[in-house]
Amino acid sequence: EGQLVESGGGLVQPGGSLRLSCAASGFTFNKFAMSWVRQAPGKGLEWVSSIINNGGSTYYPDSVKGRFTISRDNSKNTLYLHMNSLRAEDTAVYYCASRHNYAYDSWGQGSLVTVSS
Amino acid sequence: QTVVTQEPSFSVSPGGTVTLTCDLNSGSVSTSHYPSWYQQTPGQAPRTLIYSTNTRSSGVPDRFSGSILGNKAALTITGAQADDESDYYCALYMGSGISVFGGGTRLTVL
Repeated sequence: EGQLVESGGGLVQPGGSLRLSCAASGFTFNKFAMSWVRQAPGKGLEWVSSIINNGGSTYYPDSVKGRFTISRDNSKNTLYLHMNSLRAEDTAVYYCASRHNYAYDSWGQGSLVTVSS
Repeated sequence: QTVVTQEPSFSVSPGGTVTLTCDLNSGSVSTSHYPSWYQQTPGQAPRTLIYSTNTRSSGVPDRFSGSILGNKAALTITGAQADDESDYYCALYMGSGISVFGGGTRLTVL
């Protein structure tokens, strides 16, 4: 089973930007699609973005489309989430997860993003 | 807008059996939605239980099983244990890279 470790979370002002990273190990990173999933305080899970194994296609829900960008560096076994124009409602724990058979497979421990002035 | 609905809460006695469901507002859930199920305890990352409707993830006990019941996806826990008390989420694949989670079910074992 793979290991995923997120980093880059923190406090950011509304309208600001932040980049999350997810370091992968223990599996062949370049063979798997990857995703970001978030969880606002006291709320459920929400899919945020996905990227196929070679980075050629990316997907987003309407709630973040145009503001968030998912990317990956297969040479570094690392997944990224670039977040711009952040809003209070983007406050959440952000998890990276590997994808397998249209499901989430391995999960990171999460990185907290707080958007507040 | 796609909405996936789960029971907000459920209760089961130790040793009992419980079935949680996952419903789709736009129609029936089928195997083509590749239903998956996740378990989460407070403060922890989710854990994958079931994928592709009924395939258990590595290390998941066989008391957890997935299925399609009528027009919904279902997660059945047989012989519930105290440490099964958790939040359970389903997810459905809607095509074009889009995946939607249900709102989650809080399961109490008492």
